[in-house]
Amino acid sequence: EPEVTQTPSHQVTQMGQEVILRCVPISNHLYFYWYRQILGQKVEFLVSFYNNEISEKSEIFDDQFSVERPDGSNFTLKIRSTKLEDSAMYFCASSSSGIGGPDTQYFGPGTRLTVL
Amino acid sequence: DAKTTQPNSMESNEEEPVHLPCNHSTISGTDYIHWYRQLPSQGPEYVIHGLTSNVNNRMASLAIAEDRKSSTLILHRATLRDAAVYYCILRPNRDDKIIFGKGTRLHILP
Repeated sequence: EPEVTQTPSHQVTQMGQEVILRCVPISNHLYFYWYRQILGQKVEFLVSFYNNEISEKSEIFDDQFSVERPDGSNFTLKIRSTKLEDSAMYFCASSSSGIGGPDTQYFGPGTRLTVL
Repeated sequence: DAKTTQPNSMESNEEEPVHLPCNHSTISGTDYIHWYRQLPSQGPEYVIHGLTSNVNNRMASLAIAEDRKSSTLILHRATLRDAAVYYCILRPNRDDKIIFGKGTRLHILP
């Protein structure tokens, strides 16, 4: 069964450093998402991406964050200058239709980001 | 917020059916009812969804009240692997982001 993959599984970085989290969505999917989950808290939407553009972003997704689809398979989340409060699990998801409603999103296993 | 109300936690015995309730009294006519679950240290996983009629798939069944103000996820025979947080989520058409609530933490007793 096709699945979303994410690398690395765990990233440790110093405050102020840039990090890039990588995702390979399901191959025929066109809609891509990033979510995050701070330890013990809810899963929170960050951004949706379609046709090489951001479709929607939450207030969490400020100027320090960016997303890119650099080639036909990868989807990346960059945090330009990490802060302690960026420590969280980051989940990538993809879907085929992006219409909400009956659409299903498939999530990756996550990258645990630890900012020291 | 997710506009759904779920119990914080539930317990069930292994190999018995589990009924996970969800209230969504402000549901609108075009909202789909989705259930996802999150196993320990994993990403959310789709379980099932429906609009008005009851639905069955290989993982679970979804029973939707006639007025659609509540629904129940049914795991027919719980295993230890079903221990997870279960999220009941309303998804309107043309809004593709998922808004997660706190969900119900399901404990399975051997």
